Amino acid sequence: EAQVTQNPRYLITVTGKKLTVTCSQNMNHEYMSWYRQDPGLGLRQIYYSMNVEVTDKGDVPEGYKVSRKEKRNFPLILESPSPNQTSLYFCASSLKGQRVQEQYFGPGTRLTVT
Amino acid sequence: GQNIDQPTEMTATEGAIVQINCTYQTSGFNGLFWYQQHAGEAPTFLSYNVLDGLEEKGRFSSFLSRSKGYSYLLLKELQMKDSASYLCAVKGNSNSGYALNFGKGTSLLVTP
Repeated sequence: EAQVTQNPRYLITVTGKKLTVTCSQNMNHEYMSWYRQDPGLGLRQIYYSMNVEVTDKGDVPEGYKVSRKEKRNFPLILESPSPNQTSLYFCASSLKGQRVQEQYFGPGTRLTVT
Repeated sequence: GQNIDQPTEMTATEGAIVQINCTYQTSGFNGLFWYQQHAGEAPTFLSYNVLDGLEEKGRFSSFLSRSKGYSYLLLKELQMKDSASYLCAVKGNSNSGYALNFGKGTSLLVTP
């Protein structure tokens, strides 16, 4: 089954404790992206990757890191989480290029930083 | 810059028709998407328009006018399960990695 998976689905952590949210897709997609979703603000892009070893900042990259060592995986790293990073996070993937149509979203990771 | 506007909330009656509007001003345009999102769940793809006109897909249709920076999503024969948030998103240009820029979403409540 074609899908995007994220782990963990739910996480409660404390300020400053490094964490990684994993994202994996099995569709051989080149393009992967991370979004955060907050009430009243909608979905905002954090980072994206056009292919292996190619990453770039989205609209709200501060406090986040990513890596793309393999095509299928695109982990999101919070080196020192803060309460303002409490949010619902979505990973998405798609084929690359202008003719790309839809992005496939993972199920989401609800993160709470206390 | 990117600016995508859609109404915050709408209410409609089961069996009726509802139109959700979206206006956009973006620095690049490579298509407009509509996604449906139920509370706490991932967005799911509904429709895609890159040329002007109407795209019909069962009970859902989407319209695009590039010259006006305007789109709408039309939902017919509304069902209770259509209560969800509807997200308008514009795909940018190659410099942005073909990023999807989302509006804040329209929360639709379908009442009996």
